[in-house]
Amino acid sequence: GIQVEQSPPDLILQEGANSTLRCNFSDSVNNLQWFHQNPWGQLINLFYIPSGTKQNGRLSATTVATERYSLLYISSSQTTDSGVYFCAVVKASGTYKYIFGTGTRLKVLA
Amino acid sequence: NAGVTQTPKFQVLKTGQSMTLQCAQDMNHEYMSWYRQDPGMGLRLIHYSVGAGITDQGEVPNGYNVSRSTTEDFPLRLLSAAPSQTSVYFCASSYGPRTPRDTEAFFGQGTRLTVV
Repeated sequence: GIQVEQSPPDLILQEGANSTLRCNFSDSVNNLQWFHQNPWGQLINLFYIPSGTKQNGRLSATTVATERYSLLYISSSQTTDSGVYFCAVVKASGTYKYIFGTGTRLKVLA
Repeated sequence: NAGVTQTPKFQVLKTGQSMTLQCAQDMNHEYMSWYRQDPGMGLRLIHYSVGAGITDQGEVPNGYNVSRSTTEDFPLRLLSAAPSQTSVYFCASSYGPRTPRDTEAFFGQGTRLTVV
């Protein structure tokens, strides 16, 4: 099956720093989403981004589908950005099952 | 729209007990699914449904049962709870297979289940 790998597994930042999270996937995909799981366990949709670039405030994401990777950029990090960031993909072969990576755990220090 | 609503938020069960986790969505989504999340791991698919009356197994279906009698509801049943089923359970929905854009998933807030 399709493999989804995220890096780094853990990241500690000082408030105000920038970071880049990476998601590699092993097969063609129809869909790729980035989620933030906050410390209370809620999964929050960040981006639906099977290809191209999107921005939402301090966050932006880029997916290069032909090279099978996606990047999530966090600028001017805040303590509220802490949590786990997941990448999830839907394989491009008629299935609609999300395959999740194991996540990047981010801690932003005040 | 309330989105995807899961109940209960927390539950403690004794080994061997049965229970049903509820999931409802009000977005007229065809596709619904259940995931479990274990510590330090991503989410893994338990069961999914592509429409009322149609269900199928995901990666980790053993010990769980589902049915889809309406578009809105997709309950997950634990028939005889085991400690290995201690996990956080998420329900998700999307429009489904009409176009790739329709596969964007929306998740409920999760149910934290402990089996003792």
